[in-house]
Amino acid sequence: GENVEQHPSTLSVQEGDSAVIKCTYSDSASNYFPWYKQELGKRPQLIIDIRSNVGEKKDQRIAVTLNKTAKHFSLHITETQPEDSAVYFCAAFGNEKLTFGTGTRLTIIP
Amino acid sequence: EAQVTQNPRYLITVTGKKLTVTCSQNMNHEYMSWYRQDPGLGLRQIYYSMNVEVTDKGDVPEGYKVSRKEKRNFPLILESPSPNQTSLYFCASSHGTGAHYEQYFGPGTRLTVT
Repeated sequence: GENVEQHPSTLSVQEGDSAVIKCTYSDSASNYFPWYKQELGKRPQLIIDIRSNVGEKKDQRIAVTLNKTAKHFSLHITETQPEDSAVYFCAAFGNEKLTFGTGTRLTIIP
Repeated sequence: EAQVTQNPRYLITVTGKKLTVTCSQNMNHEYMSWYRQDPGLGLRQIYYSMNVEVTDKGDVPEGYKVSRKEKRNFPLILESPSPNQTSLYFCASSHGTGAHYEQYFGPGTRLTVT
């Protein structure tokens, strides 16, 4: 089955700086890659996603890049703000299943 | 309001006592699934359903059962709970017959098995 690895597990950045979270996947048939944000005590919510026919997607301060050849994708958050503090999960969809990474706890230091 | 609901939100039970966690969505979504969330392991899929009467195993199905008799409901059944099933459980739904669309998560059910 699919295996998704996510790094780093924790990340602290100064407010205003950029944050990058990286994921790799194993199944070359995977074709959909969402990112979810989970605030403390809340449910995961989709923040951005990318499909396999696209290399990059941007939504305001958030961007995702996909390298299908290397089987990795990354989340980039620019101009970080305190409300960006949360746990972020990457995921890969293939063979009717969505497999999540183990999560990155992002802390924004004021 | 479009939403996914789960009940109960918190449950403490004892080993071996059968329980059911309900999940309901009002968005007419075809796809529904159950995940468990454990520290350091992320979200792992237990079971999923692509439509009424169509269910299949996820990555960690052992010890769980599901049914999909109606489109809006997807209950999770633990016939004989054990302590290793202590976890935070999320139900999710999406339109279409697969998880390659936005997953709408329920609020979660925190289960403790003693």
